[in-house]
Amino acid sequence: AQSVTQLDSHVSVSEGTPVLLRCNYSSSYSPSLFWYVQHPNKGLQLLLKYTSAATLVKGINGFEAEFKKSETSFHLTKPSAHMSDAAEYFCVVSDAGGTSYGKLTFGQGTILTVHP
Amino acid sequence: GAVVSQHPSRVICKSGTSVKIECRSLDFQATTMFWYRQFPKQSLMLMATSNEGSKATYEQGVEKDKFLINHASLTLSTLTVTSAHPEDSSFYICSAGAAGGNPAIQYFGAGTRLSVL
Repeated sequence: AQSVTQLDSHVSVSEGTPVLLRCNYSSSYSPSLFWYVQHPNKGLQLLLKYTSAATLVKGINGFEAEFKKSETSFHLTKPSAHMSDAAEYFCVVSDAGGTSYGKLTFGQGTILTVHP
Repeated sequence: GAVVSQHPSRVICKSGTSVKIECRSLDFQATTMFWYRQFPKQSLMLMATSNEGSKATYEQGVEKDKFLINHASLTLSTLTVTSAHPEDSSFYICSAGAAGGNPAIQYFGAGTRLSVL
């Protein structure tokens, strides 16, 4: 069985300050891990993915995440928040790797608010 | 990136009627499509997985006669909520997977908010 816990349901930052969205996972397999972002009235957009290559993964819009197996964590960070980053973020684990579509397990989501 | 279109974005219907939701991959062929459901303040839960030309595989607890899934082409899957009741009110989201790719990525539609009166 696999599970994902996003430790904060809401995160609020000021524009230009760092962003940290925390995610812990549990998996019996070597997991594939993803971060998706959902803006209002839009579909989930893939930010980045981890698949057992480099542990530090760079994504779109300046986001990155570090896979730490010893801590079973996959936290999402960005050095400087923009107003356009305000959205809901989902940490996701897949029970399959490679070219197979595994079952995705979603975290509860973290709503990021960015203040001017 | 790959685009998935989901229609309608919102639907309100009377109890006992059926509602069809469409999910289309616009710029790629989707060999596999997925349907999720999201209750308020909860995360997405997988309902079923469908491969083009095959019967859908439903998750435990999901009624296949209630939620009819058709994946007749590589670009279109539909979810029909039959004889909808207020408890079926929810946010339904589809995703589509392109063949190949490592890792396999799912691309998501914008979702359909169903309200059953």
